[in-house]
Amino acid sequence: QKEVEQNSGPLSVPEGAIASLNCTYSDRGSQSFFWYRQYSGKSPELIMFIYSNGDKEDGRFTAQLNKASQYVSLLIRDSQPSDSATYLCAVKWESGGYQKVTFGTGTKLQVIP
Amino acid sequence: DAGVIQSPRHEVTEMGQEVTLRCKPISGHNSLFWYRQTMMRGLELLIYFNNNVPIDDSGMPEDRFSAKMPNASFSTLKIQPSEPRDSAVYFCASSPINTNRDEQYFGPGTRLTVT
Repeated sequence: QKEVEQNSGPLSVPEGAIASLNCTYSDRGSQSFFWYRQYSGKSPELIMFIYSNGDKEDGRFTAQLNKASQYVSLLIRDSQPSDSATYLCAVKWESGGYQKVTFGTGTKLQVIP
Repeated sequence: DAGVIQSPRHEVTEMGQEVTLRCKPISGHNSLFWYRQTMMRGLELLIYFNNNVPIDDSGMPEDRFSAKMPNASFSTLKIQPSEPRDSAVYFCASSPINTNRDEQYFGPGTRLTVT
């Protein structure tokens, strides 16, 4: 069973601060990594994906991947109250010639005005 | 584009009854996924289809659960008989192509309550 681990939180940060969300995974063969945001009562929506070691920036969001440490993180700069949501880490890996995705249980982020 | 469509949005049923959840994926997407989400277990993949063919159903909890995709624009997830522990939000998601980069587009979900 492939594992994707996240701290459930809640992670509370003041408005304008940097929020750092972390995720570890068990399968060294994992190929692609995704961050989904899920507002309460809503469905998950993709905000970032990364598949190479290093950093990937998109606006206020930066995804960081370290395959050697089996670690992926999401940084949110200048956090806003509208960023308050649960962030799901997802890891894609191959099994039997097909791609599979495993989700973490999510980290709840609270941005305090 | 209307996005992924799921029905019903809410379902309340009694234990032992049959429940059928429906999903219409985004047109042109060739992969379809059924997930179950609970507070305790998070988002769990139940089954996924590629070009209407079930590829992996290892996440289906037991024989009470079955899923079909008779054509590219429609899929069902059936629970028979339903039990209280099946209460959860069930999401359907579709994806355009099975590559490293593809993202999954989720429907609004069906909140199932079994009493």
